[in-house]
Amino acid sequence: DQQVKQNSPSLSVQEGRISILNCDYTNSMFDYFLWYKKYPAEGPTFLISISSIKDKNEDGRFTVFLNKSAKHLSLHIVPSQPGDSAVYFCAASGLGRSQGNLIFGKGTKLSVKP
Amino acid sequence: SQTIHQWPATLVQPVGSPLSLECTVEGTSNPNLYWYRQAAGRGLQLLFYSVGIGQISSEVPQNLSASRPQDRQFILSSKKLLLSDSGFYLCAWRPAGTGGYEQYFGPGTRLTVT
Repeated sequence: DQQVKQNSPSLSVQEGRISILNCDYTNSMFDYFLWYKKYPAEGPTFLISISSIKDKNEDGRFTVFLNKSAKHLSLHIVPSQPGDSAVYFCAASGLGRSQGNLIFGKGTKLSVKP
Repeated sequence: SQTIHQWPATLVQPVGSPLSLECTVEGTSNPNLYWYRQAAGRGLQLLFYSVGIGQISSEVPQNLSASRPQDRQFILSSKKLLLSDSGFYLCAWRPAGTGGYEQYFGPGTRLTVT
């Protein structure tokens, strides 16, 4: 049973426009959410995170929104750039505090076209 | 600054052969360490985690084992590889005792079992 779901396997956006990547979760015990970016044949790199006590966190072109009642979060990239083309993973944590374990979604492949 | 290393970068092994993948972290002490696998077209699956030397927890029953012989060294092993062990193996670390859940990933090892 998937606790973190990224229902869109791929997304294509024009350069300069907004990219919106979505993520849903099922476990209300999750209290920390993260986004990672991954290029082929490389390890994921941490992008941005949000605690459940907030509903928005912004870092440059990247903003994460959290809707706890809907158990939904989204990553907005504005403006999108060709270098943003990668697979984006949503992750959640909070179940194993000492271990810091993360549960990942299956990822969404973003393609930003020039 | 902290860095994480994995080797080898790529590996092709026949079915039934042993496996040893190594991960080391520099610039930090007593990190939490993690092994993940990304199978083709799938998300990141947590295999093992460790909160200290000699302390290993397994998330998924499988043909693999892990060991932590030193504080910043994490090893993934198998006595006899299966075809289904093919995938992209990632090591990650997290500072122990911090409030956030960010994990930092190594460059990964591409394992092909033939």
